[in-house]
Amino acid sequence: QVQLQESGPGLLKPSETLSLTCTVSNGSISGYFWSWIRQPPGKGLEWIGSMYYSGLTNYRPSLKSRVTISADRSKNQFSLKLSSVSPPDTAVYYCVRGQGVNYGLDVWGQGTTVTVSS
Amino acid sequence: SHDLTQPPSVSVSPGQTASITCSGDKLASKYASWYQQRPGQSPMLVIYQDDQRPSGIPERFSGSNSGNRATLTISGTQAMDEADYYCQTWDSSVSVIFGGGTKLTVL
Repeated sequence: QVQLQESGPGLLKPSETLSLTCTVSNGSISGYFWSWIRQPPGKGLEWIGSMYYSGLTNYRPSLKSRVTISADRSKNQFSLKLSSVSPPDTAVYYCVRGQGVNYGLDVWGQGTTVTVSS
Repeated sequence: SHDLTQPPSVSVSPGQTASITCSGDKLASKYASWYQQRPGQSPMLVIYQDDQRPSGIPERFSGSNSGNRATLTISGTQAMDEADYYCQTWDSSVSVIFGGGTKLTVL
C-alpha cells in the first residue's frame, strides 16, 4: 500500500522559506499527480498546488508568486517550497496523491505541522 | 470565501440518514469528490467521480451530483461517522477547489 511521509522544519521565522519533502513508499511517483494541501488551525483544507506526471505544475493563484513544487524521481520524492512565509502560513501541510484530473485525491500523508513565528 | 458552499454543520441521530450538500457553479459538468476527516487525522477519500466509492469505504456512503449541487448521503449513520466532510472539484484551469467543510454530529 502506497504511503506518503512529509518531512521538514516545523518552526520558521517570518520571511524564511518553507521547504518540505514528501517521500513516496511502496509505489512509484510516475503516472500520478501530486499535490500539497494545507489546513490552518481550526480551518478547512486549502489547495496549494499540484504537479502532474508530465511535469506540468499548477499553483493556487494567491500563492503562485511564492510557491514551487518539484519532483526527484530518482528518490521517489516531491517537494514544496514556499518563500517569504508569515504567520498566516501556519498550518498542517499534507502531501497527497491523485489518480488524475477528475479523480479523487486518494492517498494522503499524515501531515506535518509548520508554525511561523518570530 | 469558498467557490463551493457547504453547510457548516449537520446533525443526525444514529441509524438515520445524513445528507451533506455542496453547491457552486464549479460543479456544473464537473465531478465531485468527498473527504472525511476525523479529529486529529488526515482526510480520507470516501466518494469520487460523484458517486464512486473507493475500495474499503462502506456502502452506506453514497454520492450524487446534479446541476450545481453535489450531495453526500450517509445511510444508517454510525457514531464513527462523526467527522468533518469536505467536497472537492476542479475548475477550468485544473485547480483543486474545496468546500468550506461540514461538521457532522451524530447525536
